[in-house]
Amino acid sequence: DAGITQSPRYKITETGRQVTLMCHQTWSHSYMFWYRQDLGHGLRLIYYSAAADITDKGEVPDGYVVSRSKTENFPLTLESATRSQTSVYFCASRQGTNYGYTFGSGTRLTVV
Amino acid sequence: GIQVEQSPPDLILQEGANSTLRCNFSDSVNNLQWFHQNPWGQLINLFYIPSGTKQNGRLSATTVATERYSLLYISSSQTTDSGVYFCAATLGAGNMLTFGGGTRLMVKP
Repeated sequence: DAGITQSPRYKITETGRQVTLMCHQTWSHSYMFWYRQDLGHGLRLIYYSAAADITDKGEVPDGYVVSRSKTENFPLTLESATRSQTSVYFCASRQGTNYGYTFGSGTRLTVV
Repeated sequence: GIQVEQSPPDLILQEGANSTLRCNFSDSVNNLQWFHQNPWGQLINLFYIPSGTKQNGRLSATTVATERYSLLYISSSQTTDSGVYFCAATLGAGNMLTFGGGTRLMVKP
């Protein structure tokens, strides 16, 4: 199916473990983004990518790593998960700077 | 960075009523969008509207960029309209989409 998909939808992991959240889009959009949504903080940008092999930090990048070897994929890795990283993570894409953002369905991550 | 403020924070409507949600932003924006986050948590794009007026069924939106505000109109509300409505904007050609605090809407049957 066309669109932007995230996996998994739900994940429970233990403190200190590495976990990777996947994001895949079928539109060949240049830009991709990772946001986290927390009560009291709204949605905040973690990292974004303007093209394959180009990534940049957002508002809250600490504790996260991203890569973008292919245009369609933008995985987000928590190298050593902490409880403060319990959140709902949204991936988004946009075609260019004069286009809107489209969000995936989100991944609910719980770190215990 | 840009500030995005939404009002009202909470809204309760009877089914069939009309409503207007407001979004104020602190600076010139390049991208202005309205989203609906449904009770299942999905963020649905309603409008990409950096300026002007658009309509989609019972929903319409107007952005007056020179006065730094946008309005979302919901007519003949339905229970399925319940959820949180977010306004979000980027400053200039930037990529950091900044969200407002949202308006939580409950439509009662």
